[in-house]
Amino acid sequence: SQQGEEDPQALSIQEGENATMNCSYKTSINNLQWYRQNSGRGLVHLILIRSNEREKHSGRLRVTLDTSKKSSSLLITASRAADTASYFCATNSNYQLIWGAGTKLIIKP
Amino acid sequence: EPEVTQTPSHQVTQMGQEVILRCVPISNHLYFYWYRQILGQKVEFLVSFYNNEISEKSEIFDDQFSVERPDGSNFTLKIRSTKLEDSAMYFCASSEGGQGRIYGYTFGSGTRLTVV
Repeated sequence: SQQGEEDPQALSIQEGENATMNCSYKTSINNLQWYRQNSGRGLVHLILIRSNEREKHSGRLRVTLDTSKKSSSLLITASRAADTASYFCATNSNYQLIWGAGTKLIIKP
Repeated sequence: EPEVTQTPSHQVTQMGQEVILRCVPISNHLYFYWYRQILGQKVEFLVSFYNNEISEKSEIFDDQFSVERPDGSNFTLKIRSTKLEDSAMYFCASSEGGQGRIYGYTFGSGTRLTVV
């Protein structure tokens, strides 16, 4: 797989449930970031986790990073309809972000 | 909340024409970037800019592309002679530290470029 591959590609859950998305990458990184994109709109930075960190929280978001497995996960707890969006992981090496193809999350009311 | 502002939100241009996409980064940010996203595809890095020069660019960023910071606030991407395959959403971003290592990157809402 390419750098920053998310799975699943699509996820549909009921409002109130937790959503977990995974990301794998290939090369060494300085940090890994998660972004949200509402349909056809801009990219919103959610959370950044550095290569020496293992877990980070921000509100209902929890991100983990396992550098030995070159993988990260994003957990959204108690999902809401407004969480419906595409979620991307992006890895940072040098000046550029390398992006995955994203997970399309649909929250059903 | 400080924002990165991009104009226009949508631009339609004839193939072969020059386009300039404009961005106003966050005022205290020092690093500036352009990314693009072809419809249905991954976001791709184009170029990063620091201290009035390009710090890194991708293979996509060929001689048809150029960036400029003409004054203290604007950051522009010029495509000299547009091709159909340049049709994409173009995102400008800025960051306080290099590699977005402090707080990540702040992205603008994008300019949707359609080349006809």
